[in-house]
Amino acid sequence: QQPVQSPQAVILREGEDAVINCSSSKALYSVHWYRQKHGEAPVFLMILLKGGEQKGHDKISASFNEKKQQSSLYLTASQLSYSGTYFCGTEMNLMSANRDDKIIFGKGTRLHILP
Amino acid sequence: EAQVTQNPRYLITVTGKKLTVTCSQNMNHEYMSWYRQDPGLGLRQIYYSMNVEVTDKGDVPEGYKVSRKEKRNFPLILESPSPNQTSLYFCASFGRSSYNEQFFGPGTRLTVL
Repeated sequence: QQPVQSPQAVILREGEDAVINCSSSKALYSVHWYRQKHGEAPVFLMILLKGGEQKGHDKISASFNEKKQQSSLYLTASQLSYSGTYFCGTEMNLMSANRDDKIIFGKGTRLHILP
Repeated sequence: EAQVTQNPRYLITVTGKKLTVTCSQNMNHEYMSWYRQDPGLGLRQIYYSMNVEVTDKGDVPEGYKVSRKEKRNFPLILESPSPNQTSLYFCASFGRSSYNEQFFGPGTRLTVL
């Protein structure tokens, strides 16, 4: 049930782009994305509710392909402040088309930005 | 200020000594949950609650208990802690009706000797 994130870790130079993927073996109702800095709590980035939906704020955006049960997080022109561990959290779609209310997180993708 | 609070933030205890980690939110959220975070394993859900008096097991519930007697509080109880419960614990909440973000508490670092 746990979504699979890839890659496990990424090292970039400031200004480079990154893509983090999240895939599930189950039909999804929503995908959440969070970033966690070392020693801190995860912080919400965005939630995607509909298939094919794309969202973004600043230079961080995400897409959700409902049919493929996948989501991708795009970090454009990365900044030093983007360093941290990124988690996707998935909420399954029940047979009745209701949401499951359980958010299951992937193992995370560690992103390190070099100056 | 909208927030989730947890207490204590740090706790060192011994095997078998019952403990409770409190969690409280001030956003009138229906949904609350507990996660544990261990290196390389991500955030694993222990228990969650959809509303007062409604709780369900997450993926790793063994050795834990919860209760939801009031909407704002969701304590995590370890009746007989063991060393494999040494971990970083997060409480979280979100408001179902508004599909809002899930807010996390600051975390509780528990060491069981």
